[in-house]
Amino acid sequence: EAGVAQSPRYKIIEKRQSVAFWCNPISGHATLYWYQQILGQGPKLLIQFQNNGVVDDSQLPKDRFSAERLKGVDSTLKIQPAKLEDSAVYLCASSPPAGRGEQYFGPGTRLTVT
Amino acid sequence: AQSVTQLDSQVPVFEEAPVELRCNYSSSVSVYLFWYVQYPNQGLQLLLKYLSGSTLVKGINGFEAEFNKSQTSFHLRKPSVHISDTAEYFCAVSSYNFNKFYFGSGTKLNVKP
Repeated sequence: EAGVAQSPRYKIIEKRQSVAFWCNPISGHATLYWYQQILGQGPKLLIQFQNNGVVDDSQLPKDRFSAERLKGVDSTLKIQPAKLEDSAVYLCASSPPAGRGEQYFGPGTRLTVT
Repeated sequence: AQSVTQLDSQVPVFEEAPVELRCNYSSSVSVYLFWYVQYPNQGLQLLLKYLSGSTLVKGINGFEAEFNKSQTSFHLRKPSVHISDTAEYFCAVSSYNFNKFYFGSGTKLNVKP
């Protein structure tokens, strides 16, 4: 079974530029999560999708961050414009329909904003 | 809202010694509890979870955790660690409908020979 795929693995941009991350969850997994992990901290949930609907986006900075999950499969997370404090690893995770909280994480995308 | 506190950012321990990684949570409602592990250069993976039933939960690789509602704790233990257990361990809490997840800041376990 293929795991959660993320791309790119690394990205360096200048502040005020835009960036997008892509995630392909495990086949059949209805729930998809995006997390931000700043160095030295634990993952912080940005947004959670159930199929193609948003379950929770209370911690997503909506003035600059956006996410979509078209057709309920893969997802993109966009930052526009980026700030220095957005430097972090962005993790995508997915859960099966009856996973009861178990999440499968991708390798992450390390973003550096200069 | 829930929150998670991992009291130790780093725990050094010698091989074959026992270890306990501490986790405390705060919540005004009942929650589910998880421990995840991140090995060097790998993604997070689930070690164990507490949903209901017995308060002593066993996970992979010989780890176990005990849910203590009165102390709002979910400490992770292993009676004898191996070099291969060197990793970062994250405690997490979710609401009863799995709609919100909160992770602790992580504990780096460094097992020395």
